[in-house]
Amino acid sequence: AQTVTQSQPEMSVQEAETVTLSCTYDTSENNYYLFWYKQPPSRQMILVIRQEAYKQQNATENRFSVNFQKAAKSFSLKISDSQLGDTAMYFCAFMKLSQGGSEKLVFGKGTKLTVNP
Amino acid sequence: DGGITQSPKYLFRKEGQNVTLSCEQNLNHDAMYWYRQDPGQGLRLIYYSQIVNDFQKGDIAEGYSVSREKKESFPLTVTSAQKNPTAFYLCASSPSRSEQYFGPGTRLTVT
Repeated sequence: AQTVTQSQPEMSVQEAETVTLSCTYDTSENNYYLFWYKQPPSRQMILVIRQEAYKQQNATENRFSVNFQKAAKSFSLKISDSQLGDTAMYFCAFMKLSQGGSEKLVFGKGTKLTVNP
Repeated sequence: DGGITQSPKYLFRKEGQNVTLSCEQNLNHDAMYWYRQDPGQGLRLIYYSQIVNDFQKGDIAEGYSVSREKKESFPLTVTSAQKNPTAFYLCASSPSRSEQYFGPGTRLTVT
């Protein structure tokens, strides 16, 4: 079974600075996706970024980028130029791909990020 | 507007009563999912369905039941057999081999 570990329960950063959230996972699969989801105080889960395991290039989405190290099974999220609206819980998630179609997500326990003015 | 709706946002029930949480999507996604979220925990999968009239148990299915009679709808029933039903419940859907999109959630309180 796959597991996802987020070792930082809480983090804080000053507005406009850069912060990196850690995530490691355990799997014997070779074909999978990794995701970062954001859950603000409204509790709506919002997709931040997606990485396909077969792609060596790290995914980037505006101020959000990942450092994907497949051999080390590490998938960290970097937020540049942090904004107050980035304050949220951040969840790392793993999805194994299968022939049949969609697969279930396995989530880490989350990192609570606070951006301070 | 396309999206996933869950109703109601807050739900209160007495212990021993069954309760059904609604989840509807108009994104034409084949797969739908139900998750439970407790304080300090990530999301845990209750049930999922990859196609109409078919569904599979997730990691914590005991005390829950689902149906998938229509592509757009995937209601979750929390039965009286669920020992700790108070939680935040999230529904999601996805196209094949892609990310999941989440509804706004339902906060269930059982007293």
